[in-house]
Amino acid sequence: AQTVTQSQPEMSVQEAETVTLSCTYDTSENNYYLFWYKQPPSRQMILVIRQEAYKQQNATENRFSVNFQKAAKSFSLKISDSQLGDTAMYFCAFRSYYGQNFVFGPGTRLSVLP
Amino acid sequence: DAGITQSPRYKITETGRQVTLMCHQTWSHSYMFWYRQDLGHGLRLIYYSAAADITDKGEVPDGYVVSRSKTENFPLTLESATRSQTSVYFCASNKGDGYGYTFGSGTRLTVV
Repeated sequence: AQTVTQSQPEMSVQEAETVTLSCTYDTSENNYYLFWYKQPPSRQMILVIRQEAYKQQNATENRFSVNFQKAAKSFSLKISDSQLGDTAMYFCAFRSYYGQNFVFGPGTRLSVLP
Repeated sequence: DAGITQSPRYKITETGRQVTLMCHQTWSHSYMFWYRQDLGHGLRLIYYSAAADITDKGEVPDGYVVSRSKTENFPLTLESATRSQTSVYFCASNKGDGYGYTFGSGTRLTVV
């Protein structure tokens, strides 16, 4: 069974600075998908970014980018120019290529400080 | 664009009572899921459904029952609520492709 680990339960960053959230996962599969979800205080789950394991290029969405290291089974999220609205829980998630179920990590609570 | 609607948003119930959480989606997505969110565990899969009348267990199914008679609805029933079922419950749906889930806004359930 796949597992997802987020080793940083809480982090903080100053507004406008850059922060990186860590995620590692364990799988024996070669093809799969990885995701980062954001959960602000409103409780809504919001998709931040998605990576396909068979693509070498790291995904980027505006201020959000990932560092995908397939051999190391690492999938970190970098947030540039942090904004107060980035304050949230961030969940890393794994999805098998042939399955539909997600496996989520325990989450990292990020606080952006003014 | 209604998306996924969960109800109620908050619920308090007593130990031993039956309670049903509702989930309705408007996109005709094939797949629907129920997750529970607990501190330190992230989200854990309770049950999922690939289509109407097809359901399967996830990681933590004990004490829960689901049904899916129509594509758009996927209710979750706690047959006899226990305090350990106090949690935030999320419903989600997916077309069955490689993209992410669409989540409902969650139900915070407290069992006293």
